Amino acid sequence: DVKVTQSSRYLVKRTGEKVFLECVQDMDHENMFWYRQDPGLGLRLIYFSYDVKMKEKGDIPEGYSVSREKKERFSLILESASTNQTSMYLCASSLRTDGFYNEQFFGPGTRLTVL
Amino acid sequence: GQNIDQPTEMTATEGAIVQINCTYQTSGFNGLFWYQQHAGEAPTFLSYNVLDGLEEKGRFSSFLSRSKGYSYLLLKELQMKDSASYLCAALDSNYQLIWGAGTKLIIKP
Repeated sequence: DVKVTQSSRYLVKRTGEKVFLECVQDMDHENMFWYRQDPGLGLRLIYFSYDVKMKEKGDIPEGYSVSREKKERFSLILESASTNQTSMYLCASSLRTDGFYNEQFFGPGTRLTVL
Repeated sequence: GQNIDQPTEMTATEGAIVQINCTYQTSGFNGLFWYQQHAGEAPTFLSYNVLDGLEEKGRFSSFLSRSKGYSYLLLKELQMKDSASYLCAALDSNYQLIWGAGTKLIIKP
């Protein structure tokens, strides 16, 4: 079974703090994604990565950065947390198969509250 | 713009059948996904349709009409454990997923 784990289920931070969210997958997937999920809105893609040290901006990258130093690990960084970044953050991974699309496997999510 | 529409909430009775609809408008189209998400948990994959028609997988079936920009998820013999949110997502021409807000399904005994 594919397993995607996230470093914390719940996190409370203060405005202006630097926040690190870690995601690890154990199935050798090339693609990794960071989403945020807010009530009444669909999943919104923040960043994704299709290889080590590669990253691509998603729909809402402002205020976030990412790091992928190892294939299995994809980190989301909030440089200076703000209250509007209070949300559920979901990490996902998938295989990269040229010409095809593979399902994404999700982690359990991190509920971040910024005070 | 790109858009996915699905009902916010639906209620059904245990043992019954429910159909959750999804309409999409995307720049190009490379398939339609359905995911299930129980409260507080990760979304899990249910189905993927890229060709017109109905695909059945046990109690769950998914239908796609590319010409109408329309899909539905059909759940039969509803069980209490089917209470969850159901997320529709369309794959656009850049192979990016466009997600709907999800339909919260409430099952009553």
